[in-house]
Amino acid sequence: EVQLVQSGAEVKKPGESLKISCKGSGYSFSNYWIGWVRQMPGKGLEWMGIIHPGYPETRYSPSFQGHITISADRSIDTAYLQWSSLKTSDTAMYYCARSGIPNAIVEVDPWGQGTLVTVSS
Amino acid sequence: EIVLTQSPDFQSVTPKEKVTITCRASQSIGSSLHWYQQKPDQSPKLLIKYASQSISGVPSRFSGSGSGTDFTLTINSLEAEDAAAYYCHQSSSLTGTFGQGTKLEIK
Repeated sequence: EVQLVQSGAEVKKPGESLKISCKGSGYSFSNYWIGWVRQMPGKGLEWMGIIHPGYPETRYSPSFQGHITISADRSIDTAYLQWSSLKTSDTAMYYCARSGIPNAIVEVDPWGQGTLVTVSS
Repeated sequence: EIVLTQSPDFQSVTPKEKVTITCRASQSIGSSLHWYQQKPDQSPKLLIKYASQSISGVPSRFSGSGSGTDFTLTINSLEAEDAAAYYCHQSSSLTGTFGQGTKLEIK
């Protein structure tokens, strides 16, 4: 079974750094793009960026470029989303999701269970 | 960046009703348009890929159509379990985008 399992909920203060993870299993991790999606409380889905662990190659949406870093460690089949200095506006649920076919940016399926990040002083 | 605009933002519908949600792209995206369903406190779930391709395990009452800039998700004979938010997503550009979402309420 193809599965993405994300790290647990985090509570942080403004200015702190954070790295959350997304571990893939049941498929060849290095061959599929993995995207990250933000959902702020009560709001819609926002595409943040995407990484191909095998190339490696990363692409960021303009709204998030410079504010986040997406990375991956092929040796442990894990993708990461990190912030160097959190803001209260980063409070959201964050999902990872895998591209539907190898080596192509297409539909995303499956999705991880989500990681809730709360940033509050 | 390609902008996707869905309509309506919200719809209150009765069971067995037919529902149509539209998604308009700011430029042509061919058929690189996908639909997702998100129920409260759940991760999104893929419903339709490439505008009209069905997904295994998704009820046949869900269908999609369109190409270029105009796309439609249709739910025939709505059921109570279809109460959810629905999102379109384009993968035509290397940085994908989502529509703002359509929330369906069941009366």
